[in-house]
Amino acid sequence: DIQMTQSPSSVSASVGDRVTITCRASQDIVNWLAWYQQKPGKAPELLIYAASSLQSGVPARFSGSGSVTDFTLTISNLQPEDFATYFCQQANSFPYTFGQGTKVEIK
Amino acid sequence: QVQLQESGPGLVKPSETLSLTCSVSDGSISSSNYYWGWIRQPPGKGLEWIGNIYYSGSTYYNPSLKSRVIISLDTSRAQFSLKVMSVTATDTAVYYCARLAGGTGFDSWGQGTPVIVSS
Repeated sequence: DIQMTQSPSSVSASVGDRVTITCRASQDIVNWLAWYQQKPGKAPELLIYAASSLQSGVPARFSGSGSVTDFTLTISNLQPEDFATYFCQQANSFPYTFGQGTKVEIK
Repeated sequence: QVQLQESGPGLVKPSETLSLTCSVSDGSISSSNYYWGWIRQPPGKGLEWIGNIYYSGSTYYNPSLKSRVIISLDTSRAQFSLKVMSVTATDTAVYYCARLAGGTGFDSWGQGTPVIVSS
């Protein structure tokens, strides 16, 4: 199985900050990576697919980059509604696997 | 916009079979553009992919669960289903159904249904 390792596991930030979350795959996944946002008690929502493509309806302050094994999710100008947990997921090969999550908390 | 809705018992006894159904609101369940998947999340933990099914009926399962899982599709009812056999307490989780668009990501999710395994 491909292991997905996210860092940090949590980050404290203020409204207006820029937050960067990284995800590392244990082997080459090309650009088959998705990012999700999950709020407490809710289902995850797709933010980014194919490493850098913004899902329809997602604000442009979210961006993704990377390829092969190293990927980044950046939230620019953090908004109050962005405080949540973020997961990466590889879609290169079965079984699909997720990172352990990064919780973005209010400083 | 497609909507997905899980349904099924919220409490299952150990050693029995967990059965859930996902209803899909539009006709996309018959489309070759999508896979349909199940993902679960134990309390306070991360996400675990269970498996996918394609409109043709082809299935793909997580090897960690493969011997106990069956995913099936009923396009006439616009539903797909999950069965997990011989459950234990470690199968306690919120179960989500979701649509996978061309392998790029799960773009639509059900609200999730909690399932507790307990006698």
